[in-house]
Amino acid sequence: GDQVEQSPSALSLHEGTGSALRCNFTTTMRAVQWFRKNSRGSLINLFYLASGTKENGRLKSAFDSKERYSTLHIRDAQLEDSGTYFCAAEGTEGADRLTFGKGTQLIIQP
Amino acid sequence: SVLLYQKPNRDICQSGTSLKIQCVADSQVVSMFWYQQFQEQSLMLMATANEGSEATYESGFTKDKFPISRPNLTFSTLTVNNARPGDSSIYFCSSTSSYEQYFGPGTRLTVL
Repeated sequence: GDQVEQSPSALSLHEGTGSALRCNFTTTMRAVQWFRKNSRGSLINLFYLASGTKENGRLKSAFDSKERYSTLHIRDAQLEDSGTYFCAAEGTEGADRLTFGKGTQLIIQP
Repeated sequence: SVLLYQKPNRDICQSGTSLKIQCVADSQVVSMFWYQQFQEQSLMLMATANEGSEATYESGFTKDKFPISRPNLTFSTLTVNNARPGDSSIYFCSSTSSYEQYFGPGTRLTVL
């Protein structure tokens, strides 16, 4: 089965609200990255975590290798936050090999 | 869903040489995409490859430097020509199916 299970697959929020995206891993991962797809199709790196939490503006991410999950929290959502978000995890074996989640389509409504 | 396999997993080559990276899908996909990632940075879209037509390149990437072949609906090859140390990065192939996007595991290239 999939090593990275990302949820939800789609999420609709009203401006000013918040929520969390989650990736569960079926095996121990060494690190996780979160990306947001831009209009050109490139995946912009939001966070790289080997452990703990990181925060950047209205985004905050956490990674727990032992519990096998990572989250991306969005607060005070803005219209420009709409887009597709991906997590990607590095396994402990086969270094540098990333396994991606299937993505979350986030829609922010006025 | 779509499973994507890449070969090689990693490679080391000398400056001035060329390297081929292969991507194989376990089912037919219309479009394949190639991305480049420098360590812990964004994945930059390099090009989009559809079967039987020339790949479409994004700004900063050219056909001469990164020729891409797409001979059928399950296969694509990215070539790095005249490799330079600045090309050292991870290359990912990707495809879409039913509005979901899938990625290969990546090929780490080191150019000496």
